[in-house]
Amino acid sequence: QSALTQPASVSGSPGQSITISCTGTSSDVGGYNYVSWYQQHPGKAPKLMIYDVSNRPSGVSNRFSGSKSGNTASLTISGLQAEDEADYYCSSYTSSMLVFGGGTKLTVL
Amino acid sequence: QVQLQESGPGLVKPSETLSLTCTVSGGSISSYYWSWIRQPAGKGLEWIGRIYTSGSTNYNPSLKSRVTMSVDTSKNQFSLKLSSVTAADTAVYYCARGDILTGFIDPWGQGTLVTVSS
Repeated sequence: QSALTQPASVSGSPGQSITISCTGTSSDVGGYNYVSWYQQHPGKAPKLMIYDVSNRPSGVSNRFSGSKSGNTASLTISGLQAEDEADYYCSSYTSSMLVFGGGTKLTVL
Repeated sequence: QVQLQESGPGLVKPSETLSLTCTVSGGSISSYYWSWIRQPAGKGLEWIGRIYTSGSTNYNPSLKSRVTMSVDTSKNQFSLKLSSVTAADTAVYYCARGDILTGFIDPWGQGTLVTVSS
């Protein structure tokens, strides 16, 4: 099972909005509404930010939102803050397993 | 809330078997999938596999021939064994809880670094 495709890096200034894409196939992203997103700061464990495409766990800021169109899912962060600088990974359920994206490094300028 | 803690040797020799245990506290191990994910230094996340409390497993096809997972509900623990390791298996290994319906991972353990070296 191939990894999902994410841009290696994105950047934005404080207060701006950015979107990270996650492209898969009809067998994973396109076939299930089971996409999740994780934030990882250096040296820390990943943290769940979005699950089931667009749901936010309790405690996650509403500045984070998720969506999906066809085989591509997206994570949007609005009102960018310095603390949002981190690596972001998408994941999708597929055929009784999970597949991750390669990760995107978000830089807040 | 549920917390997970990995434990096991930090150094494993090539060709030997990597063994890790994850202890779940703050909640029951029942009715969830329990997963292992790894991350080589500077690289992305790789899903290794998961086990349900019944013992049913799903493994990443790329590792399936070398992976064995088990669960001990009496101790609230689950375990990973990865055989015939090489330097390519050097990584931070995370244990985590997976949603039974849609598979999202939450929460995660803090991770443990396993180095494969002679």
